[in-house]
Amino acid sequence: QKEVEQDPGPLSVPEGAIVSLNCTYSNSAFQYFMWYRQYSRKGPELLMYTYSSGNKEDGRFTAQVDKSSKYISLFIRDSQPSDSATYLCAMDTGRRALTFGSGTRLQVQP
Amino acid sequence: DSGVTQTPKHLITATGQRVTLRCSPRSGDLSVYWYQQSLDQGLQFLIHYYNGEERAKGNILERFSAQQFPDLHSELNLSSLELGDSALYFCASSALLSVGETQYFGPGTRLLVL
Repeated sequence: QKEVEQDPGPLSVPEGAIVSLNCTYSNSAFQYFMWYRQYSRKGPELLMYTYSSGNKEDGRFTAQVDKSSKYISLFIRDSQPSDSATYLCAMDTGRRALTFGSGTRLQVQP
Repeated sequence: DSGVTQTPKHLITATGQRVTLRCSPRSGDLSVYWYQQSLDQGLQFLIHYYNGEERAKGNILERFSAQQFPDLHSELNLSSLELGDSALYFCASSALLSVGETQYFGPGTRLLVL
């Protein structure tokens, strides 16, 4: 079993929809949680970073961490075609060796 | 643009060969990380260097080695290449050694082993 599980999708939504992306994990030592966006043939780009449980909002993006359930989410409001990409969750115990989910491919239809 | 540069962008080689991938971190960043992204394994941490010293190792094969030079650029050496080594290799950098620090990824080197 992988330490971090993420549904690979693809997830197809109409423009303007609210998107929910999720990851579950098994290692309770993870303390730092990140969401990266990766466009085709590009390097991952950090979207959101959170420490411990709770919510964090940045523009149209909200990251949620529930450490008791070992579950993290990323919500995208008013999704745009430019949001079409692969979204990777990543986690860190503090060792700075990020453990990534397999990524969810998102397609926002105009 | 993250500020991290990687060369070459693409590399095609044969099994049994050796290649060197190069990474220049963002200006001022002391930490360099190497990751491998393949279709079956996803994005996996290989190794971390801080200011020239190895700090952490992941699932890096013995055929692979890395180093960070005094000017802070880093090289990842892959030897006795196998078909399964075909992947995207990313370098990331961060400023210091602080816990939870953001890692900025380069554009990657696409390696194809034939």
